[in-house]
Amino acid sequence: EAGVVQSPRYKIIEKKQPVAFWCNPISGHNTLYWYLQNLGQGPELLIRYENEEAVDDSQLPKDRFSAERLKGVDSTLKIQPAELGDSAVYLCASSLRPRGSTGELFFGEGSRLTVL
Amino acid sequence: LAKTTQPISMDSYEGQEVNITCSHNNIATNDYITWYQQFPSQGPRFIIQGYKTKVTNEVASLFIPADRKSSTLSLPRVSLSDTAVYYCLVGDKQGNTPLVFGKGTRLSVIA
Repeated sequence: EAGVVQSPRYKIIEKKQPVAFWCNPISGHNTLYWYLQNLGQGPELLIRYENEEAVDDSQLPKDRFSAERLKGVDSTLKIQPAELGDSAVYLCASSLRPRGSTGELFFGEGSRLTVL
Repeated sequence: LAKTTQPISMDSYEGQEVNITCSHNNIATNDYITWYQQFPSQGPRFIIQGYKTKVTNEVASLFIPADRKSSTLSLPRVSLSDTAVYYCLVGDKQGNTPLVFGKGTRLSVIA
């Protein structure tokens, strides 16, 4: 079974340019997460989707970040315009959360963004 | 949100047992304790989860005392490939409280 797929794996852009990351979760997983991970730090939640609804976006900087999950499957995270401080790894995760499950998160390999 | 506290780093020789302790004094009744492992350039990977007492799988054991204010991840006979960052998280299974990753514990296994 395929895991969580993210693209691109690496992206280098100049500041003020836009950038987008794409995530394809594990088939059937209703919950999708976007995390940001800075070097030497743990992942920080940006947004969580339940199907196509964003149920927790309190940590998403809405002035420049946006996300969508059309049809409750794939998701896109966009930054416009990018700033130097946005350089980080952007991780996507999915989970299946019926009652009694472990709620285990399955992560993709991440998209490493470098803003010059 | 229940916060967790772990050692920043640990070193171990190959073949030894490694115990990483996590403090979570404010754990809620519905919270479970979950540990993830992260290798460089990869996303975190689920290792083990427990609610109380002891849980064991093919990778690790998780010890949780009766008061549940701490937990210990035990890795038996570590190898070089166990070098990674280990995260302790607390939250309910339904995800009603968002899982918060701290800085984790960086385990270095030495030959």
